[in-house]
Amino acid sequence: DTGVSQNPRHKITKRGQNVTFRCDPISEHNRLYWYRQTLGQGPEFLTYFQNEAQLEKSRLLSDRFSAERPKGSFSTLEIQRTEQGDSAMYLCASSPEPQGFSGANVLTFGAGSRLTVL
Amino acid sequence: RKEVEQDPGPFNVPEGATVAFNCTYSNSASQSFFWYRQDCRKEPKLLMSVYSSGNEDGRFTAQLNRASQYISLLIRDSKLSDSATYLCVVSRTGGFKTIFGAGTRLFVKA
Repeated sequence: DTGVSQNPRHKITKRGQNVTFRCDPISEHNRLYWYRQTLGQGPEFLTYFQNEAQLEKSRLLSDRFSAERPKGSFSTLEIQRTEQGDSAMYLCASSPEPQGFSGANVLTFGAGSRLTVL
Repeated sequence: RKEVEQDPGPFNVPEGATVAFNCTYSNSASQSFFWYRQDCRKEPKLLMSVYSSGNEDGRFTAQLNRASQYISLLIRDSKLSDSATYLCVVSRTGGFKTIFGAGTRLFVKA
């Protein structure tokens, strides 16, 4: 297994176009996260899947954003009618089921998909 | 108020120095705590988990104060290779929602 894979690595698009990013998590990980990161900021939580179920969505995720994980394996993040403010690095992370009482889980990130909206 | 707050820095220190980073979190339901490291234009990677009793990994020491909702990271004998952004991370019970701070930038100079 080569870790978390994200495609495409870079996407330049014109305002108003739709874009889709794909994430392939580590195969034995049942949890998958999407984050957005802009320059000088930490990753901002967008959404989270356990297997195929989307369990939480951030208020940052407007109606133009949708994420799926249809078979509990890979995930896609689609942004419709892109705006210049959507320009950011979109990071995917996966983790196994937490171990122990505390439920601590460690996220492994992919290299990210950088979106530039012109 | 952000759920996880860090001093953004940057911290500029000479090689061999000791440097400490602080982090506060606002949600008392937070259950698990971590420090991640992020190099320029790279993805975040786990540096260490933070346990209630405090823990050490080589030159790195992490402390947690649940009463004050405060986490710290101490780096001793700084190396040039320690230059990076250090992200404070908290996770709620069950690990469902993992929140990152904005990060503290560290520059270690020769």
